[in-house]
Amino acid sequence: AQKITQTQPGMFVQEKEAVTLDCTYDTSDPSYGLFWYKQPSSGEMIFLIYQGSYDQQNATEGRYSLNFQKARKSANLVISASQLGDSAMYFCAMRLVSNTGKLIFGQGTTLQVKP
Amino acid sequence: DSGVTQTPKHLITATGQRVTLRCSPRSGDLSVYWYQQSLDQGLQFLIQYYNGEERAKGNILERFSAQQFPDLHSELNLSSLELGDSALYFCASSDQTGGGEKLFFGSGTQLSVL
Repeated sequence: AQKITQTQPGMFVQEKEAVTLDCTYDTSDPSYGLFWYKQPSSGEMIFLIYQGSYDQQNATEGRYSLNFQKARKSANLVISASQLGDSAMYFCAMRLVSNTGKLIFGQGTTLQVKP
Repeated sequence: DSGVTQTPKHLITATGQRVTLRCSPRSGDLSVYWYQQSLDQGLQFLIQYYNGEERAKGNILERFSAQQFPDLHSELNLSSLELGDSALYFCASSDQTGGGEKLFFGSGTQLSVL
């Protein structure tokens, strides 16, 4: 069965420092996509970054990068130069190409950025 | 702004009632997904439509139903509401049925059943 695990319920980081949010996944399907979403206190789900299972390079989107280690089945999100506005819940999600496209979400990590 | 519009933003109703949540996908997106987010269950996939046809069902209760109309907007109908149905309901859209394309989420409808 497919599963996403986020083992850090809550994290703190000092403003301007980098932080890594952990995500491990489980699937036997060779083709999949990994996603990170941000959910601020206002509730909306904001797409951050995507990594395909066949992508050779780690994905980057501005201050966000995805540390993809396929053999370990991990897809950690790295946020560089944290800002106060980064305080939010962060969800890792997986999508199987062979499936209909539904996302399977982890339980989320709450990140608090300290000034 | 994701381009996905959900109405209403908030809904307060009583047990046993029926409500309809509405979603307008991004322009050009043919796929619509519904998700439920609750504190105890997290984010759960409910159902997917593609160009008017149901494509996948997840943990959707029989009391819930959905449809996608010819103009591609979608509605999620929740009936015989129970306290446990209180949750944040998201709609998401994409231009395909599966694969690596992104899902763009609306801002959600917060349902409170009293």
